[in-house]
Amino acid sequence: GESVGLHLPTLSVQEGDNSIINCAYSNSASDYFIWYKQESGKGPQFIIDIRSNMDKRQGQRVTVLLNKTVKHLSLQIAATQPGDSAVYFCAESRDTGRRALTFGSGTRLQVQP
Amino acid sequence: NAGVMQNPRHLVRRRGQEARLRCSPMKGHSHVYWYRQLPEEGLKFMVYLQKENIIDESGMPKERFSAEFPKEGPSILRIQQVVRGDSAAYFCASSPPLAGAASYEQYFGPGTRLTVT
Repeated sequence: GESVGLHLPTLSVQEGDNSIINCAYSNSASDYFIWYKQESGKGPQFIIDIRSNMDKRQGQRVTVLLNKTVKHLSLQIAATQPGDSAVYFCAESRDTGRRALTFGSGTRLQVQP
Repeated sequence: NAGVMQNPRHLVRRRGQEARLRCSPMKGHSHVYWYRQLPEEGLKFMVYLQKENIIDESGMPKERFSAEFPKEGPSILRIQQVVRGDSAAYFCASSPPLAGAASYEQYFGPGTRLTVT
């Protein structure tokens, strides 16, 4: 289910299912996108990245899809495990030399055993 | 290869005191970024530094906040005369150089949680 308001959107999945976390970005000039995982009390941990000249990239159990037409990014996690429970953020950057990341608002993933 | 190190991990200050947050980048990384995170929110960019240079401070509040990355030693984020609204988690990230600029990849430290009482 999802919660709204001041709380992060939450995605609840069963262990072993696939998870899809979505992110919309606003700047069509962005040319680099990253997904981070943040566990409670810890810093963001790099998961996977993709450049704007690609539309799909696969890692270990994770796939990132980029749709530049609708400015949408998704993270797919295969065979979700309890250790995947965390808050997931997408972030974007653009090649202006600035290199600052602009973070999305985050999605909390809860994996039910 | 040690990751990005930040200290202290937790810092409590009374209103009006100064807070100093330290960040040691990963070995070989010459670019440092500071971000602030409020509860249940994403990270917000504050400042980007290279050794002895501030490259972009567009996310820094105009008053009370300053940052430095000296030739030797860690990067320091300094907050003077702290107020309750400064309470947040402050994260440092570093990235390696790439062709004279910073690589896109940023690796984050564990953060400093500042509480202003």
